[in-house]
Amino acid sequence: GEDVEQSLFLSVREGDSSVINCTYTDSSSTYLYWYKQEPGAGLQLLTYIFSNMDMKQDQRLTVLLNKKDKHLSLRIADTQTGDSAIYFCAESSGGYNKLIFGAGTRLAVHP
Amino acid sequence: GAVVSQHPSRVICKSGTSVKIECRSLDFQATTMFWYRQFPKQSLMLMATSNEGSKATYEQGVEKDKFLINHASLTLSTLTVTSAHPEDSSFYICSAHSGDAGVNTGELFFGEGSRLTVL
Repeated sequence: GEDVEQSLFLSVREGDSSVINCTYTDSSSTYLYWYKQEPGAGLQLLTYIFSNMDMKQDQRLTVLLNKKDKHLSLRIADTQTGDSAIYFCAESSGGYNKLIFGAGTRLAVHP
Repeated sequence: GAVVSQHPSRVICKSGTSVKIECRSLDFQATTMFWYRQFPKQSLMLMATSNEGSKATYEQGVEKDKFLINHASLTLSTLTVTSAHPEDSSFYICSAHSGDAGVNTGELFFGEGSRLTVL
């Protein structure tokens, strides 16, 4: 079945860039998403990319998609302490139907 | 922007009792809502798709008699955990989609989540 994998933990220094990586298996994925979850809270959509795009930039966020390798990354420029959270990669292939989530990458930002 | 609200955010109940969690779309109509379950330090697992006016579609391995879903209106879906047991303790999150919200993005909006603890 579909599978989404992420590394579980990333630690960066404040002001540096963070790169969170994700791989997926479903070649028919239509949309790929990055969500942010802060402790005890629901998910906040950060950004998304349509499968026919290679890159999307939104302020400090840059999403890169390598469809051939089924690899998605999220780059956060000038990482701040407020960026500390769990970041989930997700894909959907059924339009607005179910999302398949990765296990989440916990980003820790230290001074 | 579109907002989805869940209530209660936290609930503690005794084993054997039933608990109802509400998911509301506050500023848009949601014909489809989704219920997820998240275990500590794990990802979200889709439990079921809730369709307004019809029966929910459950994912494989999810007991429909255990997790009752009702989507009686375009702005409200409820999840009832029946005869709760400690292993049902989890973080339950709903999401809602509408063609009018997040136009052409395939975007879902998530509630804040409801943490259930069964003693």
